[in-house]
Amino acid sequence: DTEVTQTPKHLVMGMTNKKSLKCEQHMGHRAMYWYKQKAKKPPELMFVYSYEKLSINESVPSRFSPECPNSSLLNLHLHALQPEDSALYLCASSQEGQRDQPQHFGDGTRLSIL
Amino acid sequence: ELKVEQNPLFLSMQEGKNYTIYCNYSTTSDRLYWYRQDPGKSLESLFVLLSNGAVKQEGRLMASLDTKARLSTLHITAAVHDLSATYFCAEGFSGNTPLVFGKGTRLSVIA
Repeated sequence: DTEVTQTPKHLVMGMTNKKSLKCEQHMGHRAMYWYKQKAKKPPELMFVYSYEKLSINESVPSRFSPECPNSSLLNLHLHALQPEDSALYLCASSQEGQRDQPQHFGDGTRLSIL
Repeated sequence: ELKVEQNPLFLSMQEGKNYTIYCNYSTTSDRLYWYRQDPGKSLESLFVLLSNGAVKQEGRLMASLDTKARLSTLHITAAVHDLSATYFCAEGFSGNTPLVFGKGTRLSVIA
């Protein structure tokens, strides 16, 4: 069991749909991350939220819209996605000052765009 | 440009054999991580290495860090099939900053 919970685990959507991915952690971490991972590749950073403010946006297309409603929740809103956006989307969290602790990853949402 | 290089990228090992995966990183980060990923699954943290000369062991896996050479190694002892997975090293930095991952080493342990 992971301490970072992501829902849904699987999502199939058409290119005109609007959906959201959700991520929750209750470890008191103040940094949360979205990564995108294609098959047989390492995770690629999309967004970083630090203390509920967007601190890094890795030039992600606007069809991906992150939101951090509070320190425990992170959403990724999806709209008008393309087939190449099909991937595993991983949420992670960490806490500054806990140098001996890794970033904790959720189980991911496997997204398929039809 | 931040860069983490792992080698080999693919490794096929016989059960019972030993092998080492290498991870070179390009900057003066203050922490180095090893993660394991099974197909279709998330990343599981294996080790966090913080200082020069750090060595950590868990079962058949042992990780070490040489900050002067900017090199970390993951040594596998007497491999078993259950170790088949992809192993990523990643360098981290202070503050709430993202990890920089290597490309991963896909390990297959065969009988």
